[in-house]
Amino acid sequence: GAVVSQHPSRVICKSGTSVKIECRSLDFQATTMFWYRQFPKQSLMLMATSNEGSKATYEQGVEKDKFLINHASLTLSTLTVTSAHPEDSSFYICSARDGGAYEQYFGPGTRLTVT
Amino acid sequence: QKEVEQNSGPLSVPEGAIASLNCTYSDRGSQSFFWYRQYSGKSPELIMFIYSNGDKEDGRFTAQLNKASQYVSLLIRDSQPSDSATYLCAVDPQAGTALIFGKGTTLSVSS
Repeated sequence: GAVVSQHPSRVICKSGTSVKIECRSLDFQATTMFWYRQFPKQSLMLMATSNEGSKATYEQGVEKDKFLINHASLTLSTLTVTSAHPEDSSFYICSARDGGAYEQYFGPGTRLTVT
Repeated sequence: QKEVEQNSGPLSVPEGAIASLNCTYSDRGSQSFFWYRQYSGKSPELIMFIYSNGDKEDGRFTAQLNKASQYVSLLIRDSQPSDSATYLCAVDPQAGTALIFGKGTTLSVSS
């Protein structure tokens, strides 16, 4: 299957700072990327959908000014958590889909801890 | 509201048995259907997908789709302890849009 990478895999930051997470499709062009959040022992929660060159579409209840998403190229999308707070601590996972394909592949995830 | 329903489990099977995981979906217009496996603390891994009625086999895994009943299942033959994980059913309501995930079924395979 296709490979999606995320960086960093784990990050600890202080409350009030911003954190950027990168998501890259390594062997295909991802026309659409998705960002999810998962709290311990809970199901995946879709945060936003981004298409290359377009503004992201955020799910209801997700603050677009807090979670900035940029999909600048067909292989890279970034999620920036601005002014992070302890309640933003979670497992952030991106996924990507090649435009013509059925499959959606997940990156390995980024575990964010805000102290 | 488009929904995907799964029994949360845990489903416990002995090593070597067949594990049967089930999923129902509400949107009759859904196009394709996916099974992901998620180990604790890891991201989901695609096992297989199906878009036509009937069975699709890949190694020890068989996906079954019945669009009339809006039902998808995953059979795991010769279950191994390494199969112990949460299995997520996902539905693609429309090509290019986000998948709709069930909450997952936890499978435990005992040796």
